[in-house]
Amino acid sequence: DTEVTQTPKHLVMGMTNKKSLKCEQHMGHRAMYWYKQKAKKPPELMFVYSYEKLSINESVPSRFSPECPNSSLLNLHLHALQPEDSALYLCASSHLAGSSYNEQFFGPGTRLTVL
Amino acid sequence: QQQVKQSPQSLIVQKGGISIINCAYENTAFDYFPWYQQFPGKGPALLIAIRPDVSEKKEGRFTISFNKSAKQFSLHIMDSQPGDSATYFCAAKRAEGSARQLTFGSGTQLTVLP
Repeated sequence: DTEVTQTPKHLVMGMTNKKSLKCEQHMGHRAMYWYKQKAKKPPELMFVYSYEKLSINESVPSRFSPECPNSSLLNLHLHALQPEDSALYLCASSHLAGSSYNEQFFGPGTRLTVL
Repeated sequence: QQQVKQSPQSLIVQKGGISIINCAYENTAFDYFPWYQQFPGKGPALLIAIRPDVSEKKEGRFTISFNKSAKQFSLHIMDSQPGDSATYFCAAKRAEGSARQLTFGSGTQLTVLP
């Protein structure tokens, strides 16, 4: 199984809503990532988890709250988002985060629209 | 020093032609250079990758050429097909243990005309 799955595929939320994005992989990867991608732009790294511990937070606003309940699951909790947060949110996983040649496998993303 | 510059921004090629996308980097600590292919509404997928100890890597119709002295690398798609129409991102990664991972280029939108 070389797949990263993400749910939901699409999400529309108001600025006062609380929602969560979910990501799952069963490749035994111990590094998991959240990226944000705007249209026609490359993915921007948000968070990195290594061995279920947050190792990188790229100065992401606190309205985005990541969680890694176990080695296979990664969540992104959303609260009080702004319309400019509308984007494709990508999850990725790889073997050991510091390894030079570890390939990152990306999920299909969640298309988020904030009204 | 973390930037990877990619060109062109968009590319239109006739079916059967050769598509060429170029990338350049400054940071000599980068030592892994992957290319990702992304279709609309999908996540990026690794297409092919190269390390700086080789000058060329070929997988099917896709070839990476790497010029370490010039700090440039390029993707060549031979016999381009309409199904190759997608956005292509080059990327670079450092060898050290930093968890800061891929530095992406800005992307090239490839259109292959039938």
